[in-house]
Amino acid sequence: KQEVTQIPAALSVPEGENLVLNCSFTDSAIYNLQWFRQDPGKGLTSLLLIQSSQREQTSGRLNASLDKSSGRSTLYIAASQPGDSATYLCAVRPVRSSASKIIFGSGTRLSIRP
Amino acid sequence: SQTIHQWPATLVQPVGSPLSLECTVEGTSNPNLYWYRQAAGRGLQLLFYSVGIGQISSEVPQNLSASRPQDRQFILSSKKLLLSDSGFYLCAWSRSGIKTQYFGPGTRLLVL
Repeated sequence: KQEVTQIPAALSVPEGENLVLNCSFTDSAIYNLQWFRQDPGKGLTSLLLIQSSQREQTSGRLNASLDKSSGRSTLYIAASQPGDSATYLCAVRPVRSSASKIIFGSGTRLSIRP
Repeated sequence: SQTIHQWPATLVQPVGSPLSLECTVEGTSNPNLYWYRQAAGRGLQLLFYSVGIGQISSEVPQNLSASRPQDRQFILSSKKLLLSDSGFYLCAWSRSGIKTQYFGPGTRLLVL
């Protein structure tokens, strides 16, 4: 059974720092991995999607990497800003699952201090 | 462009009362549709998904049900709410196949 873990559950850093959020998954048989952002009381916004054949994806100050064989992904945020404060969720789409199902981690709640 | 709507945004219901949450998608046809629940401090749990009208797959046993009466409409229901049904309910859609899911704004349900 695929399990997705995100550590730490919460992180607080001062503005301007570069930071890394971690995601691990137990079964390397995945189609893709996706990083989402969730603001308090809101829905999820897709940030980056990495296909299983890819190593990384970049969007602005965000860079996501994928090491499928070791079951790990990182989300790198450069030059953090207070507006980056949110909960970041990673999710994988397992190969061995019902159609269209993705498995979420419980998220890392990020707080950027001005 | 595609948009996804959920209503109501917030709902407070007594235990034992019925529930109906609605999700609609605009700007696409034949989407895959999903219902998730997010309990406080926890990840998202997939409840139901649908690949077409009248086609519903349930992921976890519970007192909730889902229906898809129209191509772009997905409804989450319950005949009698439990305290444990409280949470944040998110609807999502994706194109057919292994595609990115796009989420609605969510409905916060509090059962008292």
